Amino acid sequence: AQSVTQLGSHVSVSEGALVLLRCNYSSSVPPYLFWYVQYPNQGLQLLLKYTSAATLVKGINGFEAEFKKSETSFHLTKPSAHMSDAAEYFCAVSLTYNQGGKLIFGQGTELSVKP
Amino acid sequence: KAGVTQTPRYLIKTRGQQVTLSCSPISGHRSVSWYQQTPGQGLQFLFEYFSETQRNKGNFPGRFSGRQFSNSRSEMNVSTLELGDSALYLCASSLVIAGGEDTGELFFGEGSRLTVL
Repeated sequence: AQSVTQLGSHVSVSEGALVLLRCNYSSSVPPYLFWYVQYPNQGLQLLLKYTSAATLVKGINGFEAEFKKSETSFHLTKPSAHMSDAAEYFCAVSLTYNQGGKLIFGQGTELSVKP
Repeated sequence: KAGVTQTPRYLIKTRGQQVTLSCSPISGHRSVSWYQQTPGQGLQFLFEYFSETQRNKGNFPGRFSGRQFSNSRSEMNVSTLELGDSALYLCASSLVIAGGEDTGELFFGEGSRLTVL
């Protein structure tokens, strides 16, 4: 069964430092890969989506992610962290092109940003 | 364009009661999905509705049910509540393109936080 693993339930960085959040999916290549962000007491907001058009995907708020088939990874990065980036981040995959809204989510990584 | 609206935002119930949660999707979105979010289990897919029909279902007991109306608004119901049903219930809508294929991109509401005592 398709699964998603996010390495590290909690990541802490200093403001201005590189943000790297790790995501690995199980071996069969999914058609869609996503990163979502959740701020406290809010729903999830899409950061970016991979759809096989390009391996490097740029998203909102300066985030980007690179799809690496050989490593079954889809890590999220941001060159310089801002205090407003503190939130929980979820990696997700869809199983087919017509899965009817069903995404498989990772367990989430909480990002803390220190001043 | 208004986002996904969920009501109520917070509610408290006791064991054995039932609850109904409501979701209004983004205008033009015909697919509505429901997720349960808990600290222990994370985000789990409940079900998805498209054109008033359940198109996909997760691994939840029959106490969890849903429906969709002709205007794409959706409700989910949980009967005979258990303590373990305490969670944030998230609704998400998505745009379905020709042939019933969805874009894979979900737009989430802020959720309904259910506490079962």
